[in-house]
Amino acid sequence: QVQLQESGPGLVKPSQTLFLTCTVSGDSISSGSYYWNWIRQPAGKGLEWIGRVYTSGSTKYTPSLQSRVTISVDTSKNQFSLKLTFVTAADTAVYYCARGLMVRGLGWFDAWGQGALVTVSS
Amino acid sequence: DIQMTQSPSSLSTSVGDRVTITCQASQDISNYLNWYQQRPGKAPKLLIYEASNLETGVPSRFSGSGSGTEFTFIISSLQPEDIATYYCQQSDNFPPTFGGGTKVEIK
Repeated sequence: QVQLQESGPGLVKPSQTLFLTCTVSGDSISSGSYYWNWIRQPAGKGLEWIGRVYTSGSTKYTPSLQSRVTISVDTSKNQFSLKLTFVTAADTAVYYCARGLMVRGLGWFDAWGQGALVTVSS
Repeated sequence: DIQMTQSPSSLSTSVGDRVTITCQASQDISNYLNWYQQRPGKAPKLLIYEASNLETGVPSRFSGSGSGTEFTFIISSLQPEDIATYYCQQSDNFPPTFGGGTKVEIK
């Protein structure tokens, strides 16, 4: 059974860079059947898809964050990572990593990490 | 971006009752609509994919239907463990977008 686990600093200063890593166990990122996604949720609010990476390293981002986001994959460690630059208080959220099944359309998110709270504050 | 509108935003009902949630897309998304359950303090969990397909291991009291722009999610008999917020998500066009959520509570 696949498991995903987010890790990284819980506090980031405004204008700095947010880094998070998702470690995948029970499945290989290199298997080729899935996309690997980052999704966030501000406290008390809904879900926002940030972007995804494929095992090849190809990426797709949501337009509103595209200028600040980089998602990368490290198949040797079975991990993928999120980098978000020039953060503000509006980036304070629980960040989830999720596995996305490659099927018709954009697929669906069938496995999620437990989430990592990142607070942007000085 | 495709806008997903859920209604109601919250509801309070009794154990054993039927719960119906609707999700409307701002444009035709065929059947590319998924439903998730998020219990308090937990990550979302996939319940239904492509409008009507039950994810493995999900109880049969959950069901979904619809196509185009109008979708329905039903809990046939609400159980205490179903207390959660439910989200729809379109997977037709980039970027994938979620509805605002429906919070289900017990009276």
